[in-house]
Amino acid sequence: GDSVTQMEGPVTLSEEAFLTINCTYTATGYPSLFWYVQYPGEGLQLLLKATKADDKGSNKGFEATYRKETTSFHLEKGSVQVSDSAVYFCAGGSSASKIIFGSGTRLSIRP
Amino acid sequence: GAVVSQHPSRVICKSGTSVKIECRSLDFQATTMFWYRQFPKQSLMLMATSNEGSKATYEQGVEKDKFLINHASLTLSTLTVTSAHPEDSSFYICSALGVADYNEQFFGPGTRLTVL
Repeated sequence: GDSVTQMEGPVTLSEEAFLTINCTYTATGYPSLFWYVQYPGEGLQLLLKATKADDKGSNKGFEATYRKETTSFHLEKGSVQVSDSAVYFCAGGSSASKIIFGSGTRLSIRP
Repeated sequence: GAVVSQHPSRVICKSGTSVKIECRSLDFQATTMFWYRQFPKQSLMLMATSNEGSKATYEQGVEKDKFLINHASLTLSTLTVTSAHPEDSSFYICSALGVADYNEQFFGPGTRLTVL
């Protein structure tokens, strides 16, 4: 069946460091791919998405490119801030009704 | 943007009691709402999908008699945990799919349930 695998955390970085959180997917077709962010005590918020191969989603300095050849959707940010500390979930689905979530990666940024 | 609320945000109850959690879409109509459960440091597990005016569809392994879902209107779905036990303690999150926008689920802030 379809699945999403993402880098295990926790990840701890210093402020202004470069961030990469790896995500790969397995699916029979070409699903839409998402990154969600969950701040402490809150629900999930959509961070960015891509609906087809080679699409790049971007928001708040974060980027991810839908790579069909490597079935990946890695999340990157050039310079992280303390406020980026949260749990990040990679997800995929053939439609918004059927989304499968990765296990989440906890990110902590040191001042 | 589309806003989904949940009430209560946290609840503590005694074992054997029932707890109702509400999920509301505040500024849009939602034909479909989803209920997820999140264990500490783990991902979201879909429990059930509810469509307005019809019975919910439960995922495999989820007891429908224990987790009662009602989606009585286009803006409200409720999850009732019946005869709660400590193992039901978890973070429950709902999401809603808009009538006008089928491309994104909008998530509520979650409800922390603790069963003593």
